[in-house]
Amino acid sequence: DAGVIQSPRHEVTEMGQEVTLRCKPISGHDYLFWYRQTMMRGLELLIYFNNNVPIDDSGMPEDRFSAKMPNASFSTLKIQPSEPRDSAVYFCASSLAVRVSGELFFGEGSRLTVL
Amino acid sequence: AQSVTQLGSHVSVSEGALVLLRCNYSSSVPPYLFWYVQYPNQGLQLLLKYTTGATLVKGINGFEAEFKKSETSFHLTKPSAHMSDAAEYFCAVSDPGSSASKIIFGSGTRLSIRP
Repeated sequence: DAGVIQSPRHEVTEMGQEVTLRCKPISGHDYLFWYRQTMMRGLELLIYFNNNVPIDDSGMPEDRFSAKMPNASFSTLKIQPSEPRDSAVYFCASSLAVRVSGELFFGEGSRLTVL
Repeated sequence: AQSVTQLGSHVSVSEGALVLLRCNYSSSVPPYLFWYVQYPNQGLQLLLKYTTGATLVKGINGFEAEFKKSETSFHLTKPSAHMSDAAEYFCAVSDPGSSASKIIFGSGTRLSIRP
């Protein structure tokens, strides 16, 4: 079975532009998480979904960030407008019954650079 | 609120030497505890986990960790380091009794192996 698939792997954009990151979770998984990783702040949970419904978005930095999960096989994280401080690696992870298994399956990440 | 503290952002050992990566947690209830490993330019992958039962947990690649409630610790060890163990290691915690399904990660420890 394919793992979690993220696109793009690398994105370079200019300040003020809209950025959309995409994630396809593992088929059958009912939880999806978006994390951001930076040297300064480590790995931060931004938002997570259960059965396509956003459960906790308290980690989303500000209104410029939004995430959607229109169906069980696709999620997006959008930044509009982007700023240089948004430069980071964004990871998507999925899980089956995370409260029981506790295991997350991560994608390879999307490295975002905002100039 | 739950949290984990990883002591030492960078650990360097010689090939064949003992690996010890430290993790202390804070939780008001018996937690689930995890170690994840991240190789360069990849997502995180589960190394091992403690949920209930035996406090000494064995994982992949010869790693193991012991849950010590009295010390609120979950240190990761490997008897003999291999060059391929060079990576970043993350300790993580979750509360299985919570309605939330968050997994909170530590700041990570980068492991370097000297030839």
